[in-house]
Amino acid sequence: QKEVEQNSGPLSVPEGAIASLNCTYSDRVSQSFFWYRQYSGKSPELIMSIYSNGDKEDGRFTAQLNKASQYVSLLIRDSQPSDSATYLCAAPRTGAGSYQLTFGKGTKLSVIP
Amino acid sequence: DGGITQSPKYLFRKEGQNVTLSCEQNLNHDAMYWYRQDPGQGLRLIYYSQIVNDFQKGDIAEGYSVSREKKESFPLTVTSAQKNPTAFYLCASHPGTEDEQYFGPGTRLTVT
Repeated sequence: QKEVEQNSGPLSVPEGAIASLNCTYSDRVSQSFFWYRQYSGKSPELIMSIYSNGDKEDGRFTAQLNKASQYVSLLIRDSQPSDSATYLCAAPRTGAGSYQLTFGKGTKLSVIP
Repeated sequence: DGGITQSPKYLFRKEGQNVTLSCEQNLNHDAMYWYRQDPGQGLRLIYYSQIVNDFQKGDIAEGYSVSREKKESFPLTVTSAQKNPTAFYLCASHPGTEDEQYFGPGTRLTVT
């Protein structure tokens, strides 16, 4: 089974700093990647999707994709305590034909006031 | 408002009882999914359905059953055959474009 790997953390950053979350994947055919934010006790919420190499910015969030290195990252600028959550990386299961996603186990981020 | 609803939010059952978790969506999405999440583990796919009256097993289907009689509804039954049913259950749907999935609020099932 194709894998999506993330450091489990916890990753602690001070308020106002840049948080960098990383994800690697094993399926070279993967074309799209997703970042979900999951607050404790809640369901995952889609916050970013990226389909091509390079950077994609949305407010304080930037997703970076490097297909050659099979690496995708999420940068959170000016981190706030409200960003404290677990961040899940996901990639489609290629060949499944049913829009299935494979999820990483998530990185827990703590933003310290 | 469009969205995915799951009920109940919390569910408590005795061991040996079957229990059905509800998932409804009014997004007009064709594909729907059930996941299970345990502490320290990623999301694991239980069942999925791409169209009405059709569904497929995911990675951990043993001890679970589903039905898809209506596009809007995809209930999950946790049977007594599921050895470790206590978990957070998440329903998701897919809009049919790109690959992203959207999640309902989840049902936390505790079996004692």
